[in-house]
Amino acid sequence: DAMVIQNPRYQVTQFGKPVTLSCSQTLNHNVMYWYQQKSSQAPKLLFHYYDKDFNNEADTPDNFQSRRPNTSFCFLDIRSPGLGDAAMYLCATSPAGGHEYETQYFGPGTRLLVL
Amino acid sequence: KQEVTQIPAALSVPEGENLVLNCSFTDSAIYNLQWFRQDPGKGLTSLLLIQSSQREQTSGRLNASLDKSSGRSTLYIAASQPGDSATYLCAVRRATSGTYKYIFGTGTRLKVLA
Repeated sequence: DAMVIQNPRYQVTQFGKPVTLSCSQTLNHNVMYWYQQKSSQAPKLLFHYYDKDFNNEADTPDNFQSRRPNTSFCFLDIRSPGLGDAAMYLCATSPAGGHEYETQYFGPGTRLLVL
Repeated sequence: KQEVTQIPAALSVPEGENLVLNCSFTDSAIYNLQWFRQDPGKGLTSLLLIQSSQREQTSGRLNASLDKSSGRSTLYIAASQPGDSATYLCAVRRATSGTYKYIFGTGTRLKVLA
C-alpha cells in the first residue's frame, strides 16, 4: 500500500546532541511537510518542500533544518536539541496538483524525548 | 492571517449520543477543509475533506458541513461509540496560488463512555 513512513517511531536523544528524523513516501507526491506537535496542541508547521523548493516558516527556529535528497525521502535535523524540542514530529505529503480535492497524508509520527 | 478555532476543547458523552463538533476559520478564501482523527500518541487519519465548492460530505456515521461565508464547519457523529474516542482536528488550506499550507485547529478531545 502507498503510504508515508516515519522512522524511528520513538527517538531518545541527549540535550544538545544532534538528531535526525526520517520520512519516506511511496505516493510520489510533490509536497512534503514537517510538523511539530506538543501535547494537547495543534500541529505546527515547521517547513515544507514543493519538489526541491524549500519553504521555511518564519517562526521555525534555526536549530531545525531539513533535507530532501529525492522525491521519496525527507529528513528533519535538529542540530542542538533542547528540552523544549521534545514533541511528536509528524511528516505529511500532498500531491499539490492544484485541485480542491487534494488532501494531506500523514505518517505515524516520531516521538522525540530529550534527556 | 488565517486562524482556526475548535469548540469545545473537550467533550464527554454517553455511548449512543449524536454529537456535533465545531470548527471556525477567519479567512473564507480556502481550497478545502479537512477533518482528521488523532488517537493518543499516533499520527493523523483523514476522515472527511470538503472542497470549497461543496456544502457537505458523508462517510458512514460521519457528516461534515461547510459554510464558507460564515467561516464555519461542523462534524456530526451519529450514534457515538467508545471507539470514537479520540481527538478530532480540522484543517483548512488557503486558496492562494502556490500555497500548499494547511492551518490546523487545536482539536476537540472526545470521550465516549460505555
